Amino acid sequence: DVKVTQSSRYLVKRTGEKVFLECVQDMDHENMFWYRQDPGLGLRLIYFSYDVKMKEKGDIPEGYSVSREKKERFSLILESASTNQTSMYLCASSLLDDKGGSKNIQYFGAGTRLSVL
Amino acid sequence: GNSVTQMEGPVTLSEEAFLTINCTYTATGYPSLFWYVQYPGEGLQLLLKATKADDKGSNKGFEATYRKETTSFHLEKGSVQVSDSAVYFCALRMDSSYKLIFGSGTRLLVRP
Repeated sequence: DVKVTQSSRYLVKRTGEKVFLECVQDMDHENMFWYRQDPGLGLRLIYFSYDVKMKEKGDIPEGYSVSREKKERFSLILESASTNQTSMYLCASSLLDDKGGSKNIQYFGAGTRLSVL
Repeated sequence: GNSVTQMEGPVTLSEEAFLTINCTYTATGYPSLFWYVQYPGEGLQLLLKATKADDKGSNKGFEATYRKETTSFHLEKGSVQVSDSAVYFCALRMDSSYKLIFGSGTRLLVRP
C-alpha cells in the first residue's frame, strides 16, 4: 500500500514564526501536492511538484513556498506564519505516467492541523 | 473555469437508510470524476472514480455514474452504516492536468 506520512498531526506556532511541514511518500511517486482544507471551501491546491527541484504554483501559493530536494520528500514552508494560515494541511502523491490508470489517483497523508496564534 | 458543486451538509440519516449526495461539475471538456472520503481524524481516501461518460464507479456498496448530459456524478448507497459517517468530497481532473479540483465536501452522519 502507498503510504504518505506527514511529520506532525498537530502544530501550534506564533505569528511571524517560520514553519516547516514535512511530507514523505514511500511509493516512488513523481508527483507531490500540498493542499489546505478549510470548512466550506473543500481542498485548495497550494503547490505541486512533478520532479525533484521542480514546482508549480497552485491556486493559493501566496505566503507559502516549497522544497523538493529528494523524490520522496516534499516540504511546505510558511516564511512568516499568520493567523489566516491556521488550517488543516494535506499532502498527497501520485504517479506521473499512466501505468494501468493509476495516474489519476492521488494518495493522501493524514494531515497536519496548524494553529497560528 | 472548471469547478465542482456539492450539496450542502450535514446529511443526517438513520442506519440502513438510502443515501444520495449530489455532485455536479462545470468543465471545458470531459474530465475524470472522483469521490474521496475522509473519516474522522484521517486524510482523504479514494472511494471510487469514473473516467468517461456512462461509466459507473463502485466500491464498498457506494456507486456513482458519470452523466455527461446532466454533468453530474451523484454518490449513492442503498443502506448506510454508522461506519459510513465521514466527509465526502467530489472532485474532477482534466486529462491535461494532474490537478484535482474538489467540491466543498459533504458531511454524513449516520445514527444507530
